[in-house]
Amino acid sequence: DAGITQSPRHKVTETGTPVTLRCHQTENHRYMYWYRQDPGHGLRLIHYSYGVKDTDKGEVSDGYSVSRSKTEDFLLTLESATSSQTSVYFCAISGGGFSSGNTIYFGEGSWLTVV
Amino acid sequence: TQLLEQSPQFLSIQEGENLTVYCNSSSVFSSLQWYRQEPGEGPVLLVTVVTGGEVKKLKRLTFQFGDARKDSSLHITAAQPGDTGLYLCAGATGGSYIPTFGRGTSLIVHP
Repeated sequence: DAGITQSPRHKVTETGTPVTLRCHQTENHRYMYWYRQDPGHGLRLIHYSYGVKDTDKGEVSDGYSVSRSKTEDFLLTLESATSSQTSVYFCAISGGGFSSGNTIYFGEGSWLTVV
Repeated sequence: TQLLEQSPQFLSIQEGENLTVYCNSSSVFSSLQWYRQEPGEGPVLLVTVVTGGEVKKLKRLTFQFGDARKDSSLHITAAQPGDTGLYLCAGATGGSYIPTFGRGTSLIVHP
């Protein structure tokens, strides 16, 4: 198994509170991704990183921010959680470009409920 | 607009039956990957295909990449309950390192 740890694995929070999800990898992979998975929508990219302090937006980035101060850690922050952000969040890592056939490895997911 | 269309969305079959899942797009992909996801876990890579017309086999699973690299299929022979899960295809265009995922096919194999 790829060395990816997501924390917390489960969280219930109230609307309007900030939430930070952490992804930690031990593979020294360059690329890191945050996805959310919802019924009927599949996996949608929130943000990704292609190096320390190098990040960019995905297709559903509104309401989310990320930071990557070290190769091994990629943080996803919901500044003010809303009920529409209730979802399962997956962190993923890759050593190289996807188009080159590099494998993307996924973490086990973080279940977030906003009430 | 979904770049990758998967069909069928749901599939419920009996053990021993054969099935095929499709992944289609109007775009040309430089590579395409198939993943399986079990409840409560993250997706796990099954196979990567990069050459048009390529066929790969993984035990009872056969994966094919279309000649034009716009579509792919996953065929399972003699399905077993252990094949139950969500099957996802993912592809990237050009030199992109950002994959796009299909919405998945949810497969249930009944004993």
